[in-house]
Amino acid sequence: DVKVTQSSRYLVKRTGEKVFLECVQDMDHENMFWYRQDPGLGLRLIYFSYDVKMKEKGDIPEGYSVSREKKERFSLILESASTNQTSMYLCASVGRRGTETKSSYEQYFGPGTRLTVT
Amino acid sequence: GENVEQHPSTLSVQEGDSAVIKCTYSDSASNYFPWYKQELGKRPQLIIDIRSNVGEKKDQRIAVTLNKTAKHFSLHITETQPEDSAVYFCAATTGSARQLTFGSGTQLTVLP
Repeated sequence: DVKVTQSSRYLVKRTGEKVFLECVQDMDHENMFWYRQDPGLGLRLIYFSYDVKMKEKGDIPEGYSVSREKKERFSLILESASTNQTSMYLCASVGRRGTETKSSYEQYFGPGTRLTVT
Repeated sequence: GENVEQHPSTLSVQEGDSAVIKCTYSDSASNYFPWYKQELGKRPQLIIDIRSNVGEKKDQRIAVTLNKTAKHFSLHITETQPEDSAVYFCAATTGSARQLTFGSGTQLTVLP
């Protein structure tokens, strides 16, 4: 069974702290993503990674960085947390479903981390 | 980049009625359109998807239609049940990037 886990369900940090959010998948997927989810804004892509040590910016990368040292682990880093980074953070891992001609990329999500920055 | 708009933001229907959620996309190169359901306090999960070479796809009570010319796609849920109450997200991708651009979500409430 597909499994994506995140290091914390709830996290409270102070402004200016460095914050690490970890995501681990056990499906040997190459592709991993970090989103933030805010009411009325849907899921917005922060960063993604196609392979170990490979990363690309998503739509809202400012204030964030990522690390992918091992295939199964993708970390999101808030270098200096700010109150506007209070949000739900979701990690996803992408796999391939179906046959080669009908393949699609189903994203498997982790349970989310509710981060509050005070 | 891709932009996906989703309407309505909230939708209430009586149990047994149908629900329709609509999305438009901007990038004509997009070729894969999934729909995710997120129940309260849970993670989003894929419920149905469609590729650009297909106009309609059905899975029991849910169906998705795609109009490539107009660049819009819709989710149809028939015979709604209370357990259909959730937030639904549409998304689009060009496929080669394997990254999704999501709509803003629709809170569906099925009234008993």
